Amino acid sequence: QSALTQPPSVSGSPGQSVTISCTGTRSDVGSYNRVSWYKQPPGTAPKVMIFEVSNRPSGVPDRFSGSKSGNTASLTISGLQAEDEADYYCCSFTTSSTYVFGTGTKVTVL
Amino acid sequence: DVQLVESGGGLVQPGGSLRLSCAASGFAFSGYWIHWVRQVPGKGLEWVSRINLDGSSTTYADSLKGRFTISRDNAKNALYLQMNSLRADDTAVYFCAREGYSDSWYGFDFWGQGALVTVSS
Repeated sequence: QSALTQPPSVSGSPGQSVTISCTGTRSDVGSYNRVSWYKQPPGTAPKVMIFEVSNRPSGVPDRFSGSKSGNTASLTISGLQAEDEADYYCCSFTTSSTYVFGTGTKVTVL
Repeated sequence: DVQLVESGGGLVQPGGSLRLSCAASGFAFSGYWIHWVRQVPGKGLEWVSRINLDGSSTTYADSLKGRFTISRDNAKNALYLQMNSLRADDTAVYFCAREGYSDSWYGFDFWGQGALVTVSS
């Protein structure tokens, strides 16, 4: 199972919006809504930001939103803030009943 | 509060074995699927394995090729990962993570702090 494809980095100024893509196949992203997104600041454990494609856990700001089209999922951070700087990973269930993570994207706030 | 605490990491020689543990507290451990996820330092996350509620069903990443075994002891609120025939590329921080599910699927909603496994001679 190959990792889902994410851009290595995205950046934006405070207040701007950034979108991270997560491209998989019909065997993972394209077949299931069990797509989630995780934020990982350096030296810490990941934290779930989005589950089931577009749902936010309680406590996650509504600046974070998720969507999916075909084999590609996306995470959008609106109104970028300094605290959003971190690595972000997508994750999908697969037709092999396993999970696969994305390659990871470093978000930089300029 | 929900807590997951990994232990058992350390330095092991290539070809050796190691068993990681994950102690759970603050929730009904037997009611959740639990996963292992690893991360090579400075690299991305890699899903390793998962186990169902009573341990009767397990799944592994293809890359492990039968070297790892996940298990759980619900009486002790503990998860384990037995790692055999370790290789240098198994060097990573190993996280245990809870798969959240009630009326909906919540992703990996709680994670441990991770345990570092270093495979080196």
